[in-house]
Amino acid sequence: AQTVTQSQPEMSVQEAETVTLSCTYDTSESDYYLFWYKQPPSRQMILVIRQEAYKQQNATENRFSVNFQKAAKSFSLKISDSQLGDAAMYFCAYNNAGNNRKLIWGLGTSLAVNP
Amino acid sequence: GAVVSQHPSRVICKSGTSVKIECRSLDFQATTMFWYRQFPKQSLMLMATSNEGSKATYEQGVEKDKFLINHASLTLSTLTVTSAHPEDSSFYICSARDPTRSSYEQYFGPGTRLTVT
Repeated sequence: AQTVTQSQPEMSVQEAETVTLSCTYDTSESDYYLFWYKQPPSRQMILVIRQEAYKQQNATENRFSVNFQKAAKSFSLKISDSQLGDAAMYFCAYNNAGNNRKLIWGLGTSLAVNP
Repeated sequence: GAVVSQHPSRVICKSGTSVKIECRSLDFQATTMFWYRQFPKQSLMLMATSNEGSKATYEQGVEKDKFLINHASLTLSTLTVTSAHPEDSSFYICSARDPTRSSYEQYFGPGTRLTVT
């Protein structure tokens, strides 16, 4: 069964600095999608970034980028120029190609941004 | 685009009563919607997958007779918590997938906080 592991329950970063959140996953599939979602205190889940496994190029969305290492099954999120509004829970998720294409979720990393 | 609404945002009900939560995709047609439950400071727990026009698929351990899911149209899925008990108090979140997008990401509603007294 596929699993997603986020080994950092909590992290903190200084405003304007860069932080990297880790995510590893386990799968036997070759074609899949990976996502990072953000859940701020409002609890609205927001899609931050997506990565297709067949693409070698790392996805980038403004200040957010990923380091996708398919062989190592690693999918880390880098947040550059951190802002106070980046403070949130961040969840890594794997898209299961079967079973109605469910998302398999990590336990989350709580990110604090210090002014 | 890809906006999902959820109603109500908060609901308080008495033990033994039923409560219905609505999930709507506002600007796309969602053939598949998902219902999650989230406990404080925890990850999302998938309860069931809802497919338009067919019966929902429930995750192991989720009581289908207690959590009734109806996906009657391409833009609406409902979750009814029947005979609610205090232990059903939680944050319920729905999501929907846009079938026109190949990447299978889910778009989430704002959630419903259910309190059973």
